[in-house]
Amino acid sequence: DAGITQSPRHKVTETGTPVTLRCHQTENHRYMYWYRQDPGHGLRLIHYSYGVKDTDKGEVSDGYSVSRSKTEDFLLTLESATSSQTSVYFCAISESWTPLGNEQFFGPGTRLTVL
Amino acid sequence: GQQVMQIPQYQHVQEGEDFTTYCNSSTTLSNIQWYKQRPGGHPVFLIQLVKSGEVKKQKRLTFQFGEAKKNSSLHITATQTTDVGTYFCAGLVISSGSARQLTFGSGTQLTVLP
Repeated sequence: DAGITQSPRHKVTETGTPVTLRCHQTENHRYMYWYRQDPGHGLRLIHYSYGVKDTDKGEVSDGYSVSRSKTEDFLLTLESATSSQTSVYFCAISESWTPLGNEQFFGPGTRLTVL
Repeated sequence: GQQVMQIPQYQHVQEGEDFTTYCNSSTTLSNIQWYKQRPGGHPVFLIQLVKSGEVKKQKRLTFQFGEAKKNSSLHITATQTTDVGTYFCAGLVISSGSARQLTFGSGTQLTVLP
């Protein structure tokens, strides 16, 4: 498995509180992604990064922000968590993004419950 | 926006039977990738198809990319209990707004009965 860790692995929080999830990679890959996975929806892209301090929105970015100050770390922040953000969050990395794309390696996931 | 539909959502098979999952896109895809996720695990890359009409095999798994590059399929011959999991397709459309985004299908959850 690629060197990707996510922390925390599980979190229970209350509505309205801020939450930050961390993704750390040791592969020195340029591209990093945050997905959420919900039953019946597959994996939906929240935000991605194509370099340090370079980020862009994905399909379901509302209510989420990201930051990437170092190649190895990509943070996902829920400014004010809501129950609809209860989900499993996956971080992924890829080495490059050629016009033909490239495979993505996924972290172990973070299960977040918002009460 | 771009949509990738995947069917069936669930499939139960007896061990030894064949299994197929299908992906259809509303737009022409640049390429398509397939991932497998074991229960409680994370998605793992299986393969990428790029060319129109491309067929690739990995042991008992056969992957196809349609001639129009709008559909794809994964076929497993003689399923085994180790094939249990959810299989996702993920399509890439090249455009100015989504050049770096894969769109995942909703997945097919495969159960293999011994």
